[in-house]
Amino acid sequence: KAGVTQTPRYLIKTRGQQVTLSCSPISGHRSVSWYQQTPGQGLQFLFEYFSETQRNKGNFPGRFSGRQFSNSRSEMNVSTLELGDSALYLCASSLGSANNEQFFGPGTRLTVL
Amino acid sequence: GNSVTQMEGPVTLSEEAFLTINCTYTATGYPSLFWYVQYPGEGLQLLLKATKADDKGSNKGFEATYRKETTSFHLEKGSVQVSDSAVYFCALSKGGGGADGLTFGKGTHLIIQP
Repeated sequence: KAGVTQTPRYLIKTRGQQVTLSCSPISGHRSVSWYQQTPGQGLQFLFEYFSETQRNKGNFPGRFSGRQFSNSRSEMNVSTLELGDSALYLCASSLGSANNEQFFGPGTRLTVL
Repeated sequence: GNSVTQMEGPVTLSEEAFLTINCTYTATGYPSLFWYVQYPGEGLQLLLKATKADDKGSNKGFEATYRKETTSFHLEKGSVQVSDSAVYFCALSKGGGGADGLTFGKGTHLIIQP
């Protein structure tokens, strides 16, 4: 069974631009979560989508948004990029119940210049 | 709010040494506790978890016990190998799987020398 895939793996943008990251979950998984990993703040939860609906949300500004499609693939969008948005963005998928294990993808490395 | 505190390292040990990575948490209610491992260039992998007080999670020779009285979930291994070199994250969530949002510690970089 294929694992969680994220595209692209690396991305370079400039301040003020917007970016869209994609995550394809493991087949059959209906929940997708997104995390931001930075050296200063560590790993922080952005949001979780289940059956095309945002079910849980972390403490990030509205510039960070996401969506999930009917095939469970998810995209994350960051608008008006800031230097501090440079990070590794990880997504994780699970079957969706509270006790189901999450499986993480390799991440997308975003650099904002 | 919820928080997790762990030693950041790097922690450098010789092969076959005993490993302890301390983790303490602050949370309301009864969270589930996790240890994740991140190898270079890879995503996070669940190493072990415990969902209630006094539970012991174990996997690949690693183990950790959920201690509610000390709000701790220390990771231990009796004899480490070079292949255990990685970054280890302690985390908690309300749900047993973490899909409701994991709160992570800053991570401990472990280096095992031959």
